[in-house]
Amino acid sequence: EADIYQTPRYLVIGTGKKITLECSQTMGHDKMYWYQQDPGMELHLIHYSYGVNSTEKGDLSSESTVSRIRTEHFPLTLESARPSHTSQYLCATQKGGYNEQFFGPGTRLTVL
Amino acid sequence: SQQGEEDPQALSIQEGENATMNCSYKTSINNLQWYRQNSGRGLVHLILIRSNEREKHSGRLRVTLDTSKKSSSLLITASRAADTASYFCATDGRSGNTPLVFGKGTRLSVIA
Repeated sequence: EADIYQTPRYLVIGTGKKITLECSQTMGHDKMYWYQQDPGMELHLIHYSYGVNSTEKGDLSSESTVSRIRTEHFPLTLESARPSHTSQYLCATQKGGYNEQFFGPGTRLTVL
Repeated sequence: SQQGEEDPQALSIQEGENATMNCSYKTSINNLQWYRQNSGRGLVHLILIRSNEREKHSGRLRVTLDTSKKSSSLLITASRAADTASYFCATDGRSGNTPLVFGKGTRLSVIA
């Protein structure tokens, strides 16, 4: 079992709120990713990072930001939550030079 | 986009039967991976096949790759109810330094 932690696991908030989804890992992996996924549907890459102080936008990066100040921590912030943000958010890690990604358990977000 | 497309989108079989899922992609790759996702959880890596390989086995899993047709198949033999999950293929880019691109997934239901 990969040591990737996501908090909170479930979150219900109102429209317009600013929220931060936490992702942390104890594996020392260089690469980290955020995906948005509606239940059972395809994954959409939001942001990714290949190391400290390095972040890149994915296909679905608007209205959100990330930071990578420490190797083990990769938080995702939604500046102003909207009902369209209702989804599951998955964090993943990958060791540099290797292909396999390890996924956290996800955060299920509901915006009312 | 080199996004993979799984086929079928959904598959329902009886326990003990074999399940075959297909994945097509658009651009050249170094390797292709298959992941499994139980409902409401993160993805778990199943198997990786490199572009110079044509077939690979792992337990009840058999993966084939046809780079000329840009397609792969995942066969699960003697399926069990516990195999019920969504299955995703993921491809890398030829440069090796781009994020994985996940397909839309096949939702497999194995009926006991």
